[in-house]
Amino acid sequence: KNEVEQSPQNLTAQEGEFITINCSYSVGISALHWLQQHPGGGIVSLFMLSSGKKKHGRLIATINIQEKHSSLHITASHPRDSAVYICAATTNTDKLIFGTGTRLQVFP
Amino acid sequence: KAGVTQTPRYLIKTRGQQVTLSCSPISGHRSVSWYQQTPGQGLQFLFEYFSETQRNKGNFPGRFSGRQFSNSRSEMNVSTLELGDSALYLCASRSGSQETQYFGPGTRLLVL
Repeated sequence: KNEVEQSPQNLTAQEGEFITINCSYSVGISALHWLQQHPGGGIVSLFMLSSGKKKHGRLIATINIQEKHSSLHITASHPRDSAVYICAATTNTDKLIFGTGTRLQVFP
Repeated sequence: KAGVTQTPRYLIKTRGQQVTLSCSPISGHRSVSWYQQTPGQGLQFLFEYFSETQRNKGNFPGRFSGRQFSNSRSEMNVSTLELGDSALYLCASRSGSQETQYFGPGTRLLVL
């Protein structure tokens, strides 16, 4: 079993839909990250959070430390949001471990 | 500020050869981490360097090594290449332990 699990693996949506990607972890962490990877490989860090909720534009990330669970929400999705979204956890030994990613496709 | 840069961007090698990849972090960032991404295993942590010292290491064989120079630039070396080493190698830099990592564009290595 992976220490960081994501769901769903694949997600398709129509433009404008509200999207949720979930991440669960089973190790002690100091921070939880949400990353975005576009075709071609470049990775952008969207959020780093250790508690509560963060918002940036149409993106919202939440974390529940007690339940070891985080969610990434995209409001009013757009085709340019199509990418792979990766959840990653900084462990208490300061290593970064990754989920397997969620491939999101948003159609116009 | 310029972002994280990696060279070369693409590389083709044959089994048994060795390869050196280079990463230049964002100016002022002293931490550089390396990651391997493959379709089968996803993203995996290789190692992290901070101020020229290896601070952390993932579960990779000794064929994978790295170093960091006084200007924070880092190199990663893979010796005796195997077909399974074909992957996208990413480096990321950050200014401190609790800071966001900034990723480079990656080096795509193909081992034939």
